[in-house]
Amino acid sequence: AQSVTQPDIHITVSEGASLELRCNYSYGATPYLFWYVQSPGQGLQLLLKYFSGDTLVQGIKGFEAEFKRSQSSFNLRKPSVHWSDAAEYFCAVAIPGTYKYIFGTGTRLKVLA
Amino acid sequence: DTGVSQDPRHKITKRGQNVTFRCDPISEHNRLYWYRQTLGQGPEFLTYFQNEAQLEKSRLLSDRFSAERPKGSFSTLEIQRTEQGDSAMYLCASSFSLAGGTGELFFGEGSRLTVL
Repeated sequence: AQSVTQPDIHITVSEGASLELRCNYSYGATPYLFWYVQSPGQGLQLLLKYFSGDTLVQGIKGFEAEFKRSQSSFNLRKPSVHWSDAAEYFCAVAIPGTYKYIFGTGTRLKVLA
Repeated sequence: DTGVSQDPRHKITKRGQNVTFRCDPISEHNRLYWYRQTLGQGPEFLTYFQNEAQLEKSRLLSDRFSAERPKGSFSTLEIQRTEQGDSAMYLCASSFSLAGGTGELFFGEGSRLTVL
């Protein structure tokens, strides 16, 4: 069965520090990959997506993610975190050609001033 | 493009009452999804429409839950005889996908249900 693992439930970083959020997936081929961000009481906003091609993907708000096929990973990075980045981040995979999307359990990011 | 809108944003009800949520997707999107999200969890799939046809329902969707998408536009999710375990955020998402394709999901802001 397909699955998405976000191993870190909570991460705390200082403002201005770099950030990496981990995401691993289980699927027999290459899925479509997404990162979403959710502020408290709000819906999910798409940060970036990978369908094919260049494995380093740029997104909104200065985020990027790198697809590593050998590690079945799609980690999210940001070189310098801002206080407004505090939120919950969800990694998701979609099975190409289907309606199916599978979400991880999320990583809650706290940013220290 | 006004995005995906959901109504109401918050609903508090007593156990046993019926509730209905509405979702208006992005107008050109042909797919519409309902997800449920509880605290500390990611969205869990409930059901999915391609235009007006409900093509898939999760086992999470008991017979107290029903969803419709008349005319392939807005959708409603009704929960009958609510239980405290139904308390959650109900998220609607839409996408545009050609046959055999898979597009990105655009989410609404959710409808939070509290069952007392």
